[in-house]
Amino acid sequence: EVHLLESGGTLVQPGGSLRVSCAASGFTFSSYAMSWVRQAPGQGPEWVSVISGRGDTTYYAGSVKGRFTISRDNSKNTLYLQMNSLRAEDTAVYYCAKWDYNGLGYIDDWGHGTLVTVSA
Amino acid sequence: DIQMTQSPSSLSASVGDRVTITCRASQGITNYLAWYQQKSGKVPQLLIYDASTLQPGVPSRFSGSGSGTDFTLTISSLHPEDVATYYCQKYNSDPFTFGPGTKVNIK
Repeated sequence: EVHLLESGGTLVQPGGSLRVSCAASGFTFSSYAMSWVRQAPGQGPEWVSVISGRGDTTYYAGSVKGRFTISRDNSKNTLYLQMNSLRAEDTAVYYCAKWDYNGLGYIDDWGHGTLVTVSA
Repeated sequence: DIQMTQSPSSLSASVGDRVTITCRASQGITNYLAWYQQKSGKVPQLLIYDASTLQPGVPSRFSGSGSGTDFTLTISSLHPEDVATYYCQKYNSDPFTFGPGTKVNIK
């Protein structure tokens, strides 16, 4: 059974930095592209970033490009999102999400999320 | 970037009704479209991918159709447990945008 466990969410001041993590189990982690998807309170999901299975290809939403960095450590089955220059509008639950086996781009497993609050 | 829209934004229907939700892409995305269901306080769940392929374990009352720019999600007979918000998502290319959602309630 796929298990995705996010951690690291907390309250951070505007302009600050934070790294959230996702520990994966129940599947061959290095074979799957992984995404971060966020959901602000009362809003729909917003795709944030994706990284290929080997970690050599990444894409970002325009709203976070240049501020966020996605990475992975396949030896630890862990996905990361480094967030810099945080803004109030980055406040959201951040979900770790596993892509489909063929790497097309739909999400077939989600973690339960970690809450990041950006506020003074 | 390709924009995704959904209609209606919300609907109320009776148990047993046929419900149809529309998702439109601002440019063609062939069939690279997924549908997700999100119940209140829960994580989104994949219902349909490739516009019309049902994810294993999803009830057969859910179906998807469409290609290019216009897509539909149909619930053939609404059940009480289908109360949720439904989102489409494109995945033909980056960015992998979600639609704004359609909230489904029971009348």
